[in-house]
Amino acid sequence: QKEVEQNSGPLSVPEGAIASLNCTYSDRGSQSFFWYRQYSGKSPELIMFIYSNGDKEDGRFTAQLNKASQYVSLLIRDSQPSDSATYLCAVNFSYGQNFVFGPGTRLSVLP
Amino acid sequence: GAVVSQHPSRVICKSGTSVKIECRSLDFQATTMFWYRQFPKQSLMLMATSNEGSKATYEQGVEKDKFLINHASLTLSTLTVTSAHPEDSSFYICSARDRDRHYEQYFGPGTRLTVT
Repeated sequence: QKEVEQNSGPLSVPEGAIASLNCTYSDRGSQSFFWYRQYSGKSPELIMFIYSNGDKEDGRFTAQLNKASQYVSLLIRDSQPSDSATYLCAVNFSYGQNFVFGPGTRLSVLP
Repeated sequence: GAVVSQHPSRVICKSGTSVKIECRSLDFQATTMFWYRQFPKQSLMLMATSNEGSKATYEQGVEKDKFLINHASLTLSTLTVTSAHPEDSSFYICSARDRDRHYEQYFGPGTRLTVT
C-alpha cells in the first residue's frame, strides 16, 4: 500500500515567519514529488515539484527532498495571510502512474 | 500554460436526473485525465483515471455504471453522474497530466454539484 502522510494541522505561524510543512511517503523508489495549495472551496493549484535530493527554491517557496529518509518538505518564507490554505503533498511513485495525495496540512498565517 | 477548464462550475439538479461535467486541457495534450471528488473538509478522493481512447479505470468502491467517464480526445474528458442522488452532492475536480512536462498534473477549477 503506497501511502503519503501529512500532519493535518492546523499549523499556525505569525505573519513574516517561516512555515514548514512536512510530508512522508512509504515507497523508497518514488520518483517525483509535488506540492499543491488549495484554498477553501477551490481546486488545488500546483506550487512546486521536485525530483532530486536537496533543495529547490522558487520565490518564497523552497522544497526539500530527502529520499533516504523518505520525506519531502515545503518551506514558505515571509509567510503572508494570503498563504493560509491547505497544502497537499503528492507523490508519483513511478512514472506514468497516478499520484497519491496526502491528506493535506492546513496552514493559518496570523496577521 | 497548463490550463485546465471545467464546465459547469456549479450545477443544481433534481434527484434522479443525470449531469455531465466536461474537463478540457486548453493548451496541452493530456493523455491521462483524473476525476476526483471532495467532500467538505475532507481530502481529495480519486474516483477514476481515464486514458484517451480507452476505458476508464475506477477506484475501488466507485460505481462505474453511475459515474460514466469518456475520454474521447487528448483535450476532453467527461464525467456523467447518472441518476443523481443527494449523497452525490460534492465538489468534483478533474486533473490532466501533461505528457510533455514530466507528468505533472494540473487541476481544473472544479464543479460543485448539488442534488436536491
